[in-house]
Amino acid sequence: AQKITQTQPGMFVQEKEAVTLDCTYDTSDQSYGLFWYKQPSSGEMIFLIYQGSYDEQNATEGRYSLNFQKARKSANLVISASQLGDSAMYFCAMSSSGTYKYIFGTGTRLKVLA
Amino acid sequence: DSGVTQTPKHLITATGQRVTLRCSPRSGDLSVYWYQQSLDQGLQFLIHYYNGEERAKGNILERFSAQQFPDLHSELNLSSLELGDSALYFCASSSAGYGYTFGSGTRLTVV
Repeated sequence: AQKITQTQPGMFVQEKEAVTLDCTYDTSDQSYGLFWYKQPSSGEMIFLIYQGSYDEQNATEGRYSLNFQKARKSANLVISASQLGDSAMYFCAMSSSGTYKYIFGTGTRLKVLA
Repeated sequence: DSGVTQTPKHLITATGQRVTLRCSPRSGDLSVYWYQQSLDQGLQFLIHYYNGEERAKGNILERFSAQQFPDLHSELNLSSLELGDSALYFCASSSAGYGYTFGSGTRLTVV
């Protein structure tokens, strides 16, 4: 069965510092996608970054990068130069080829301190 | 604005009642997905429609049903509501492949 594990329920980071949010996954599929979403207190789900299982390069989107280690089945999100507006809940998710439903982790609540 | 429109944004109703949540996908997207986010269950996949046809079912209760219409909008019907159905219900749409776009959600409160 597929599973996403986020072991950090909450994290603090100082403004302008970098932070890594952990995500490990479990799947027997060869083709899959990994995603990170941000959910601010207003509730909407905001797409941040995507990594395909066959992508050799780590994905980057502005201040977000995904540290993909396939052998360790990890897909950690790195946020550089944290901003106060980054304070939110962050979800890691996985989808497999043939079924486009997402399996979500339990999320990590990030608080950026001024 | 993500392009996925969900109405209403908030809904308060009594136990035993029936409600309908509506979703209009992003222009050109044929797939619609429904998710439930609750404090105890987290984000759970409910159902997926593609161009009017049901493609996959997740942890959707028998009291819940959904459909996608010819204009591609979708409705999620929740009946015989219980207190435990209180949650944030998301719709998402996609055109192909993995990535999809979420709507802003409907927050349902059952009292």
